[in-house]
Amino acid sequence: KQEVTQIPAALSVPEGENLVLNCSFTDSAIYNLQWFRQDPGKGLTSLLLIQSSQREQTSGRLNASLDKSSGRSTLYIAASQPGDSATYLCAVTPNAGGTSYGKLTFGQGTILTVHP
Amino acid sequence: NAGVMQNPRHLVRRRGQEARLRCSPMKGHSHVYWYRQLPEEGLKFMVYLQKENIIDESGMPKERFSAEFPKEGPSILRIQQVVRGDSAAYFCASSPFRQGLSYEQYFGPGTRLTVT
Repeated sequence: KQEVTQIPAALSVPEGENLVLNCSFTDSAIYNLQWFRQDPGKGLTSLLLIQSSQREQTSGRLNASLDKSSGRSTLYIAASQPGDSATYLCAVTPNAGGTSYGKLTFGQGTILTVHP
Repeated sequence: NAGVMQNPRHLVRRRGQEARLRCSPMKGHSHVYWYRQLPEEGLKFMVYLQKENIIDESGMPKERFSAEFPKEGPSILRIQQVVRGDSAAYFCASSPFRQGLSYEQYFGPGTRLTVT
């Protein structure tokens, strides 16, 4: 059974800092990994998706890396801003014979607070 | 291109009543997933549907819960005889169906169900 763990559970940083969020998963047979952002009382916004064959993806100030063999992913946020404050979720989909089965298994999330 | 739409956004039901949650996927998406987020818990997969087919319902409670995605119209998550423990945020996601490509999931804003 796939389990996804995110560390730390909460993080508070001053504006401008670079930071790293960690995600680990127990079963390396994944199809892809997604990072999401969730604002309080809102839905999920997809930030980055990494295919199992890829090592990293970048979007603006965000960079996500994937080490499938060790079951780890990191989300790097450069020059953090107060608007980055949210819960960040990592989720994986299982690899079912070379295709994505689609079902996401989520971590518990990291609550990020960036203060001015 | 409208995103995933869910309605209602907030739903209040008394114990024993029925709750019907609707999800309209993004245009061109034929796969729908339902997830539940209980208070202080992470997001958990419930069910995965394609048009007129349930692909995986391994996350659905055995009783009172059902889901459908008819040929025409939105996907419906139905909860019969609701109990207080059903109070949660219910999220729908959709993805396209393309052989060989990732199945990135796009989430709706969620329906927050409160059972009184």
